[in-house]
Amino acid sequence: DSGVTQTPKHLITATGQRVTLRCSPRSGDLSVYWYQQSLDQGLQFLIQYYNGEERAKGNILERFSAQQFPDLHSELNLSSLELGDSALYFCASSVDASGSHRVDEQFFGPGTRLTVL
Amino acid sequence: AQKVTQAQTEISVVEKEDVTLDCVYETRDTTYYLFWYKQPPSGELVFLIRRNSFDEQNEISGRYSWNFQKSTSSFNFTITASQVVDSAVYFCALSEADYGGSQGNLIFGKGTKLSVKP
Repeated sequence: DSGVTQTPKHLITATGQRVTLRCSPRSGDLSVYWYQQSLDQGLQFLIQYYNGEERAKGNILERFSAQQFPDLHSELNLSSLELGDSALYFCASSVDASGSHRVDEQFFGPGTRLTVL
Repeated sequence: AQKVTQAQTEISVVEKEDVTLDCVYETRDTTYYLFWYKQPPSGELVFLIRRNSFDEQNEISGRYSWNFQKSTSSFNFTITASQVVDSAVYFCALSEADYGGSQGNLIFGKGTKLSVKP
């Protein structure tokens, strides 16, 4: 158990809908990352938050957004869903990705499997 | 541009064989970190190792060992005396650390699926 929790575990929805994925980082971790794993694209970085603020953006679609709350949990919002958004969405957390050049290991949650029908 | 290549898509071995998973990376940063993660059939991603670009010492942890060679931009992973429980997809990843903007996020290779047969 990595200490990172994600809910829900599975989500089945229809095209055009909007869903919210939730992540709670390990106790003490300030950084939260979201990744998407699909068969054709592999594991791709979406977005990173550090202590409530957006720090880096990857290949995240405009239909997707995220935020990190004062208690450090994070939510990933996916809207106007398309069939191609079906994937496994991972949240990861790390101790600190602050202004230093140090990069800590990321611990991953169990993922949310999203199926868009 | 940053990139991680795992040329072996799938490897199949028989239990007790040694197996090496290859990882080649590309980066222009002088400070970077390399990682290996394991994804068993249950789907979670399990952290195995982190290595920074200034530490080229090889590492051994039980049956696992890692060989980092900056000269060839490689960070290979060897499992000695493989076991059925080692069956999983293994991912190599890179994180660049020279600049603050993209610091921390992982760039993954496509993964190598290892099947260990009894």
